[in-house]
Amino acid sequence: DTGVSQDPRHKITKRGQNVTFRCDPISEHNRLYWYRQTLGQGPEFLTYFQNEAQLEKSRLLSDRFSAERPKGSFSTLEIQRTEQGDSAMYLCASSPRAGGPNEQFFGPGTRLTVL
Amino acid sequence: AQSVAQPEDQVNVAEGNPLTVKCTYSVSGNPYLFWYVQYPNRGLQFLLKYITGDNLVKGSYGFEAEFNKSQTSFHLKKPSALVSDSALYFCAVRDGGNAGKSTFGDGTTLTVKP
Repeated sequence: DTGVSQDPRHKITKRGQNVTFRCDPISEHNRLYWYRQTLGQGPEFLTYFQNEAQLEKSRLLSDRFSAERPKGSFSTLEIQRTEQGDSAMYLCASSPRAGGPNEQFFGPGTRLTVL
Repeated sequence: AQSVAQPEDQVNVAEGNPLTVKCTYSVSGNPYLFWYVQYPNRGLQFLLKYITGDNLVKGSYGFEAEFNKSQTSFHLKKPSALVSDSALYFCAVRDGGNAGKSTFGDGTTLTVKP
């Protein structure tokens, strides 16, 4: 399967713990996006990379959130000192740069539950 | 700022009837508009997009959407609905001057009854 993959698919943690999620984009895609989705709402933009550069970051992304894409391939999203309000589905998407404004290809998501 | 409104949480249609899922948007620059579909326990899948040109765009699975600049709308349509079209549909907008952030609506659940 050459689609976007995310790991883990599910994560249950206790409040105050740190968690890290991984996203592997489609190999030839140089743009990578993170979104958060809660029940009954659409995906909310968190951050965006072009290759290894983090070009945009939402105000939703508090100081407890950090994302990296060190070699321009896979990306990690870390949440420190998790809170119950962080419980959500975290979605990763990728898109190619070439060919104009392109649609995003989404992974299956990581569902985070903070107890 | 950019925003998307999907005024209907749910749309119900009978199989074989035409369907419309509504979307209106707000963006400061030129709008790039997208429709995605989400089936249960599966990731979002791209259906179609409007970038420029013909206001009627055709996409996957027989879906089409009409861009209306004066009404700032991008409604999703299909002439004849199938039960298998039942899913959650999201409209998204991106400012043409910004390659990054896409803003999504809250989704519309489409139910097609046999």
